[in-house]
Amino acid sequence: DSGVTQTPKHLITATGQRVTLRCSPRSGDLSVYWYQQSLDQGLQFLIQYYNGEERAKGNILERFSAQQFPDLHSELNLSSLELGDSALYFCASSSRPAPNTEAFFGQGTRLTVV
Amino acid sequence: AQSVAQPEDQVNVAEGNPLTVKCTYSVSGNPYLFWYVQYPNRGLQFLLKYITGDNLVKGSYGFEAEFNKSQTSFHLKKPSALVSDSALYFCAVRGYNNDMRFGAGTRLTVKP
Repeated sequence: DSGVTQTPKHLITATGQRVTLRCSPRSGDLSVYWYQQSLDQGLQFLIQYYNGEERAKGNILERFSAQQFPDLHSELNLSSLELGDSALYFCASSSRPAPNTEAFFGQGTRLTVV
Repeated sequence: AQSVAQPEDQVNVAEGNPLTVKCTYSVSGNPYLFWYVQYPNRGLQFLLKYITGDNLVKGSYGFEAEFNKSQTSFHLKKPSALVSDSALYFCAVRGYNNDMRFGAGTRLTVKP
């Protein structure tokens, strides 16, 4: 168990809908990362937060947004969902966004858009 | 841009034989490299990292990785493979903003 908790584990929703994925980082970790894993595109970095502030942005669509709250948990909001958004969404955390620190991953949320 | 490449989609080895999963990197400045493993329906688990120092890095579950600056490689190795090592392996590098960028992954299959 990595100590990173993601909810829900599975989510099935219809096209056009909006969902929220939640992540609780490891105790003491200030940095949170979101990744999307799909069969054809591998593991894609979406966005990173550090202590409530956005730190880095990757291949995140405009329909997606995220935030990190004062208690350090993070939420990833996906709206106007399309079939192609079906994927595994991972959250990871690290103590700080320093280059020599490893990130610890949650179990992921499997999103299926029908 | 910081990036890693895993040239093999699939690696097959027999149980008890040594295994190698390849990774090459492209970075500006000092490389900070990582290996992760993903079992079916699970998140990624950290195996080991190279920051600086010894070129041979030891990690979890008997895995080690060899950093080679001249060949810009960071190959994952294990002297004797187990069937339970069968999984998806990812190499990663820290990007400019300290985001972590992953290779496409290599599926390792260890046959009894």
